[in-house]
Amino acid sequence: GAVVSQHPSWVICKSGTSVKIECRSLDFQATTMFWYRQFPKQSLMLMATSNEGSKATYEQGVEKDKFLINHASLTLSTLTVTSAHPEDSSFYICSARDQVRLYEQYFGPGTRLTVT
Amino acid sequence: QKEVEQNSGPLSVPEGAIASLNCTYSDRVSQSFFWYRQYSGKSPELIMSIYSNGDKEDGRFTAQLNKASQYVSLLIRDSQPSDSATYLCAVKSQGGSNYKLTFGKGTLLTVNP
Repeated sequence: GAVVSQHPSWVICKSGTSVKIECRSLDFQATTMFWYRQFPKQSLMLMATSNEGSKATYEQGVEKDKFLINHASLTLSTLTVTSAHPEDSSFYICSARDQVRLYEQYFGPGTRLTVT
Repeated sequence: QKEVEQNSGPLSVPEGAIASLNCTYSDRVSQSFFWYRQYSGKSPELIMSIYSNGDKEDGRFTAQLNKASQYVSLLIRDSQPSDSATYLCAVKSQGGSNYKLTFGKGTLLTVNP
């Protein structure tokens, strides 16, 4: 139980293009999903909190117009990196909060983005 | 600002030994505590959660919580080379919506065969 998937697992794109990453909870409903970014040998950095049916809450310093988040259903949240630049290259990881086990977050396998 | 502190390590133990990982947190009213394991290049995996003072055991893992000292630890008995990973401590504070977790920077554990 508590499986979260992400797609794609890795992506290479050219500078200036947009990339969409999907996060799905496979066997539970998640009213809240979280998007993190992790640079090599650094800790997780929370980017935003995604709530089903409402606008995402972004952490300080994260550009909401650059990182578009949509949480249209209880099992799917998407993160779109718009006009990507090489400095956006990172490991993007989503997590989902189980409605039943309220405080536990389960992470997806991550998406490695490389912008050339 | 709510903080979670961990020694970055690396912590090196021989195979079969007990590995002890420590974490302190600044928000006195924190209620929920978690340990995640992260292998290099992979995403974190939840291995333990603890909510009340004392010990909680799950297989070779024991989480210990002391709210008065604002301290949570993870013991790994009979350490195996496959336990070599970064261990992240995460804390959920009382109140607030969205159930955000605050993560420590992680402790790198190396178990030597």
